[in-house]
This record gives sequence, C-alpha cells and structure tokens, in this order.
Amino acid sequence: AQKITQTQPGMFVQEKEAVTLDCTYDTSDQSYGLFWYKQPSSGEMIFLIYQGSYDEQNATEGRYSLNFQKARKSANLVISASQLGDSAMYFCAMREPYSSASKIIFGSGTRLSIRP
Amino acid sequence: DTGVSQDPRHKITKRGQNVTFRCDPISEHNRLYWYRQTLGQGPEFLTYFQNEAQLEKSRLLSDRFSAERPKGSFSTLEIQRTEQGDSAMYLCASSFQAYEQYFGPGTRLTVT
Repeated sequence: AQKITQTQPGMFVQEKEAVTLDCTYDTSDQSYGLFWYKQPSSGEMIFLIYQGSYDEQNATEGRYSLNFQKARKSANLVISASQLGDSAMYFCAMREPYSSASKIIFGSGTRLSIRP
Repeated sequence: DTGVSQDPRHKITKRGQNVTFRCDPISEHNRLYWYRQTLGQGPEFLTYFQNEAQLEKSRLLSDRFSAERPKGSFSTLEIQRTEQGDSAMYLCASSFQAYEQYFGPGTRLTVT
C-alpha cells in the first residue's frame, strides 16, 4: 500500500533562510503524483506544488521547489528565502495512480515556524 | 470568491445528534471529495463523487455517515447519532478530472 512519511514533526527557521522539509514515500506503482500542501492555522489546505513520477525536471513554483529523487523515493520541499507568512503545517501527499478516485494520501505533516 | 466553500465553518453538537455539512465546489470541477482530519494528522479520504455519482467510499465511512451530490454541484455530508470520536475537521475538495484538488476551509466539528 502507498504510504507517505514525514519525519520532522516541527522545524524552526530564521526568516530569509532556506528550509527543506523532508518527505519519503512508498509505492510499487510506476505512475504516481506527489504534492505539497500548506495548512495555515485557519485550516484551509493550500496547494503548493506538484511533481509527476515521469517528470524529468524538478517542479518549481516561485519560492517553492520540489527536490525529487525517484530512486530514493523522496520528494523534499525546498522553500527559499522564508517569510513569516510561511509559518504553517506542511503536508506531503501522493495520488494513488490506479484508483478511480485519484484520492490523495497525506503524510502526518511538519509544523514550520519562522523566527523574525 | 471562486474557490471551494464549506458551511458551517464550526459546529458544536451533543453526542447523539445529527449534523449536516455543505460543500460548494469550484463551478467547473466535476469531481468532489470529502476528507476527515483529526488533530495532528493529515487528512484521510472519506468519499468521492464524479458529477452526481458517488463512486468510492472509504472504510472509515461508517453507516452513520452519508453523502450526497444530487445535481452534480454542491454536496452534503450527514453524520447521524454523532459520537465523540467524530470530532474532527471535515474537508471538502474539488478537481477537474484527476487534476489538482483544491480544498475548502473545512468544517470543524466538536461533539460534546
């Protein structure tokens, strides 16, 4: 069965520094999608970035980039030049490829706190 | 605002009561999902609609839970005879086909 593991329950980072949030996944499928979502204290899940398993280049979206290492089954999120507004829970997730629902499986999350 | 909306945002109910939540997806999205998130965990899939058809339900969805999407637009999630273990954030998401899912702000349920 597919599984997402996030080993960092919490992280503290100084403002303007870069931060890497770890994510490893387990799947026997060749085709899958990986996501990162941000959840501020308000509760809404905000989509940040997506990486397809066949994408050859790492995905980037503004200050977010996904360090995709397929052989290691890791999909770490890198946030450059962190800002106070980046303080939130961050979830790594994977879309089941052959499920008709394409439902998303989430990790347990990492709470990121940015220090001024 | 053209995002996913959910109502109510917060609900406090007594054990044994029935509750109903509503989700309005992004208008052009044909898929709608319900997830449940307990404290300190990531969301867990509950059920999924493609247009008005409910195509998949999780084992987490007991007989006390029912979801509908009568006209393929908004959806409702009802919980009958609520239990304290039902206390959680209930998240709705929508997508066009299997593309990225966009989430609503959630309904936080507290069962006392």
